[in-house]
Amino acid sequence: TQLLEQSPQFLSIQEGENLTVYCNSSSVFSSLQWYRQEPGEGPVLLVTVVTGGEVKKLKRLTFQFGDARKDSSLHITAAQPGDTGLYLCAGRGGAGSYQLTFGKGTKLSVIP
Amino acid sequence: GAVVSQHPSRVICKSGTSVKIECRSLDFQATTMFWYRQFPKKSLMLMATSNEGSKATYEQGVEKDKFLINHASLTLSTLTVTSAHPEDSSFYICSARGGGGDTEAFFGQGTRLTVV
Repeated sequence: TQLLEQSPQFLSIQEGENLTVYCNSSSVFSSLQWYRQEPGEGPVLLVTVVTGGEVKKLKRLTFQFGDARKDSSLHITAAQPGDTGLYLCAGRGGAGSYQLTFGKGTKLSVIP
Repeated sequence: GAVVSQHPSRVICKSGTSVKIECRSLDFQATTMFWYRQFPKKSLMLMATSNEGSKATYEQGVEKDKFLINHASLTLSTLTVTSAHPEDSSFYICSARGGGGDTEAFFGQGTRLTVV
């Protein structure tokens, strides 16, 4: 069974601060995705990383996939209240596997 | 991205009744659909995977007779919670993916089920 450990579980920061969310596993994933979920809604895909060591940027969000494809991080620069939400990482197993294993999520609150 | 529509978004039902949740892919043919359950402040737990025209594959611990999944067409899958109990109250989310290659799965908006 593949498990994804996500940390921190909760994070409350002031507007303008930087933060990093981590997603770690002992398993190798063929790809890893980051989602953001608002209360009462389904997750919305932010990014997919596929190659070990890959770095992707989405405005103030920087996503990195570990060299061994076992871990990933999400870094937010100068957080804004609009960044508030539940951030989920999800890993996909080997090629041809379409099932996603989700981390427990990080609930981020950005205080104005 | 592709659009997946889930209906209803909220439903309240009495204990002992059954409730059906629909998941539709609006602009693509979904060969595979996934059903998840999410408890408050928790992550998504995969319940089952369904492929169009075949029986769903349920995850360990999920009662197939209680959570009936039908994927009769390439654009529609349904989850029926039978003889619902208050402990079935949860947020249910579907996702759908098209066929071929390594296509992404897209999520519906979720259904908040409350059993009273």
